[in-house]
Amino acid sequence: KAGVTQTPRYLIKTRGQQVTLSCSPISGHRSVSWYQQTPGQGLQFLFEYFSETQRNKGNFPGRFSGRQFSNSRSEMNVSTLELGDSALYLCASSQGLAGESGELFFGEGSRLTVL
Amino acid sequence: AQSVTQPDIHITVSEGASLELRCNYSYGATPYLFWYVQSPGQGLQLLLKYFSGDTLVQGIKGFEAEFKRSQSSFNLRKPSVHWSDAAEYFCAVGPSYGNKLVFGAGTILRVKS
Repeated sequence: KAGVTQTPRYLIKTRGQQVTLSCSPISGHRSVSWYQQTPGQGLQFLFEYFSETQRNKGNFPGRFSGRQFSNSRSEMNVSTLELGDSALYLCASSQGLAGESGELFFGEGSRLTVL
Repeated sequence: AQSVTQPDIHITVSEGASLELRCNYSYGATPYLFWYVQSPGQGLQLLLKYFSGDTLVQGIKGFEAEFKRSQSSFNLRKPSVHWSDAAEYFCAVGPSYGNKLVFGAGTILRVKS
């Protein structure tokens, strides 16, 4: 069974640009959650999508957005990049809502560097 | 609000020694509790979980954790640490408001030979 796949794994952008990250969940999983991980802030919850609907949202500005497609694949977008957006962005999938099942399967992450 | 505290940012143990990583939570009802591990350059992997029942739960890689309601703790243990256990460990609690998982700040484990 294939795991959670995130693309791209590494990317470098400059301030003001926008970026789109992609996540393919495990087959059969309907929930996709996104996290931002930085050395200073740890794991910060961005949002969770379940059956194409955003179910939960963390405390991030509107520059951070996401969506989920009918095949459960998800994308997140960050517009007007800032230096502080440099981080490892982790995607996790689960069969049900993350908080109900708790068993999240994480991808290896997309490491974004903003110059 | 639900929260998770991992008091130790870094822990160093000798290979073969026992390990205990601490986790304290704040939660209004009976929580779901989890431990995840993150190896360098990797995503997180679930080690073990507690939903209900036996308060001592066994996980993968020889880890176990004990739920102590009176102490609001869910400490992770391993009797003999291997060099490959060097990683960052995260405790998590759920479901929180909106059915989210709440993660602790993590504990970095270093293993010295």
